[in-house]
Amino acid sequence: EPEVTQTPSHQVTQMGQEVILRCVPISNHLYFYWYRQILGQKVEFLVSFYNNEISEKSEIFDDQFSVERPDGSNFTLKIRSTKLEDSAMYFCASSEYPTNEKLFFGSGTQLSVL
Amino acid sequence: AQTVTQSQPEMSVQEAETVTLSCTYDTSESDYYLFWYKQPPSRQMILVIRQEAYKQQNATENRFSVNFQKAAKSFSLKISDSQLGDAAMYFCAYRSPLYGTYKYIFGTGTRLKVLA
Repeated sequence: EPEVTQTPSHQVTQMGQEVILRCVPISNHLYFYWYRQILGQKVEFLVSFYNNEISEKSEIFDDQFSVERPDGSNFTLKIRSTKLEDSAMYFCASSEYPTNEKLFFGSGTQLSVL
Repeated sequence: AQTVTQSQPEMSVQEAETVTLSCTYDTSESDYYLFWYKQPPSRQMILVIRQEAYKQQNATENRFSVNFQKAAKSFSLKISDSQLGDAAMYFCAYRSPLYGTYKYIFGTGTRLKVLA
């Protein structure tokens, strides 16, 4: 079965630094998402992306966050100036349709902000 | 706003036995979608089963079935004939059908241990 791939699997950064998390969604999928999971807490929605623009975002997704699909295959999440509270597992997901279609998740990037 | 609650942080089941994982949710919508996702130790979440709220019949996928109680806003997952490979974190999730709504709302998860 096709998979969503995420790189890196672990990222350690200093507070205030910029990080870019990368994802390669499934090739025929049109809808892309980022979720995050702080240890022991819920999986939280960050943003959805369709047709080269943000279709929905949560209150977590403030000006420090941005997403981009730079080359038609990659989907990136950028955090401009990381905070300690950004430490979490970040999951990329994609789907062919936005309705009740299932999400395909990547294995996640564990971001640690020191 | 919709919420999803999983009150069992951890459950254990003997191999070949049956286990039920609980999920409750809160919404004012009359139609919606509910899901159970499994996150094995490799951490890639995969869909186990889904239920459309307008369907009265409970969804079933092989050894996995749900007990959907719309009035009670309850959506439990039953795993029959548990196998070692069922050990994982299980997340209950809600999705609104409203146009322009894309997010899934997840619970905190239940870690299932399967004992040999």
